[in-house]
Amino acid sequence: EDQVTQSPEALRLQEGESSSLNCSYTVSGLRGLFWYRQDPGKGPEFLFTLYSAGEEKEKERLKATLTKKESFLHITAPKPEDSATYLCAVQADGTASKLTFGTGTRLQVTL
Amino acid sequence: NAGVTQTPKFRVLKTGQSMTLLCAQDMNHEYMYWYRQDPGMGLRLIHYSVGEGTTAKGEVPDGYNVSRLKKQNFLLGLESAAPSQTSVYFCASSLPTGIENYEQYFGPGTRLTVT
Repeated sequence: EDQVTQSPEALRLQEGESSSLNCSYTVSGLRGLFWYRQDPGKGPEFLFTLYSAGEEKEKERLKATLTKKESFLHITAPKPEDSATYLCAVQADGTASKLTFGTGTRLQVTL
Repeated sequence: NAGVTQTPKFRVLKTGQSMTLLCAQDMNHEYMYWYRQDPGMGLRLIHYSVGEGTTAKGEVPDGYNVSRLKKQNFLLGLESAAPSQTSVYFCASSLPTGIENYEQYFGPGTRLTVT
């Protein structure tokens, strides 16, 4: 059974204080790993797709990396507007785009 | 483009009542999905569709039915609502796996309370 575990559950940072969120996964053949951002009361918003170990993608203050067992979402010099819940999901080979989601990391960035 | 839209945004049902949630997408996506999101559980797939006229069960399909009569629409039905179906429901759509950029795009959600 595919599993995704995210840590920490919640993270509080001061503005400018860089950190990383972790997504550990077990899957029977990884087709893709996805990161989403979710604001309260809204639907998840797509951030990145990673396909193979060693791959990295960046968008503004966010950088996602992938190994064979986990992915990290690095947040550099965060701002209050980066406050949100970050979700990780995996798709296994041959599963018609079905995603298995983690429970998310709730990030709060304060001034 | 509106992307993925969901109707209604909020609904309160009594146990045993029925209702249909509507999802519409204007991105010409082949695949569509229904998820539910509960505290501490993450998003769980209810049903999905890989094309017009096709549907398949996801992880938690019991108590729900779906239909995909048109490519742009995906309906989720609750035949006899139960309190355990109180949740936030999200619809998503995507291109087929294997095509670049097949990530899923989500709607804004429907908050359903069953009393």
